[in-house]
Amino acid sequence: KAGVTQTPRYLIKTRGQQVTLSCSPISGHRSVSWYQQTPGQGLQFLFEYFSETQRNKGNFPGRFSGRQFSNSRSEMNVSTLELGDSALYLCASSLVGQKTDTQYFGPGTRLTVL
Amino acid sequence: AQSVTQPDIHITVSEGASLELRCNYSYGATPYLFWYVQSPGQGLQLLLKYFSGDTLVQGIKGFEAEFKRSQSSFNLRKPSVHWSDAAEYFCAVGARGNKLVFGAGTILRVKS
Repeated sequence: KAGVTQTPRYLIKTRGQQVTLSCSPISGHRSVSWYQQTPGQGLQFLFEYFSETQRNKGNFPGRFSGRQFSNSRSEMNVSTLELGDSALYLCASSLVGQKTDTQYFGPGTRLTVL
Repeated sequence: AQSVTQPDIHITVSEGASLELRCNYSYGATPYLFWYVQSPGQGLQLLLKYFSGDTLVQGIKGFEAEFKRSQSSFNLRKPSVHWSDAAEYFCAVGARGNKLVFGAGTILRVKS
């Protein structure tokens, strides 16, 4: 089975722009979660989607949003980029998003904001 | 609120030596605990997980972890470290839904 894929792998944007990141989960997985990883704050949960609905949300401003499509693929969007949004954005998929489900992580998208 | 503490930011061990990475958690109920490893430029790979039952959990790559409720700890161990184990290791606790709360990570360096 193919693993979790994320595109693009690297992205450079300037302040004020917006960006869309994509995540394709493992086939059959219906839950997709997003995490932000920075040297200062570590790994932080952004949100989780299941069956096209946001089911859980972390403590991030409204500039961070996401969606999930009927094929379980997910996108996250960051509007009005700030320097502090520079980070590795990781996507994880699991079967149905239960606590006992193993979450499989993708390689991440490295976003640099200049 | 749930939290995870990994007291050691960096650890250096010699190849072939034993390894123990510390993890302490704060969680009100029975915790779901995980150890992940991240190599440079890569995503996270699950090493092992604890949900219930036997407090000594076996994982991949020869790793094991022991859950100690009285100490709120879930330390990761490996009897003999290989150079390929050099990476960053994250302990995590399952929070609401399937949200994971991660520790700050421990960077493992292996010297030959």
